[in-house]
Amino acid sequence: DAKTTQPPSMDCAEGRAANLPCNHSTISGNEYVYWYRQIHSQGPQYIIHGLKNNETNEMASLIITEDRKSSTLILPHATLRDTAVYYCIVRVALLTQGGSEKLVFGKGTKLTVNP
Amino acid sequence: NAGVTQTPKFRVLKTGQSMTLLCAQDMNHEYMYWYRQDPGMGLRLIHYSVGEGTTAKGEVPDGYNVSRLKKQNFLLGLESAAPSQTSVYFCASSPGQGFNQPQHFGDGTRLSIL
Repeated sequence: DAKTTQPPSMDCAEGRAANLPCNHSTISGNEYVYWYRQIHSQGPQYIIHGLKNNETNEMASLIITEDRKSSTLILPHATLRDTAVYYCIVRVALLTQGGSEKLVFGKGTKLTVNP
Repeated sequence: NAGVTQTPKFRVLKTGQSMTLLCAQDMNHEYMYWYRQDPGMGLRLIHYSVGEGTTAKGEVPDGYNVSRLKKQNFLLGLESAAPSQTSVYFCASSPGQGFNQPQHFGDGTRLSIL
């Protein structure tokens, strides 16, 4: 599985942009970058994913470097409710039966948004 | 928009008791998954299903059974609960195979085995 490296924790002021980095130097050509977050005691929440182009949705933007070895998740105007653990996942392992896949969560980045 | 719904949300069992966890999704997804999350260990896949009537083992299937009789439901059973099965259980679903299909999770079932 491709390994991801994320800082263990980050702080951000409310209303400012939160930029969460992720290194994935061993990513292969057909592997997507996924971002999930987990707010305390809730299930993982899908945020965004991309292959090589930058992506934007109603929650966040994803910037992927041209060599695809790193990416940044951007929350444009962080709120207190964005305090969570953010997971960057680049290896969605294909299982043998049915061509399905599993998600491999690392330790993630604990983002704290301060008032 | 219910998404993925898990019942119950909390449960305490005694060793040796049995129970079934229910996962229901209303997104017409083909694939469904059961994970467990333990402190410091991330999520581990227990069982999964690639369609109605199919099931397959994940990383940690021992002590669990599953059934997918209807496309929208995926049941996780513990026949004889053990303290090692104390965990938070998450169900997820996705439209189908491929790297471009995100999984969507329920809010979990917190299970304690005494």
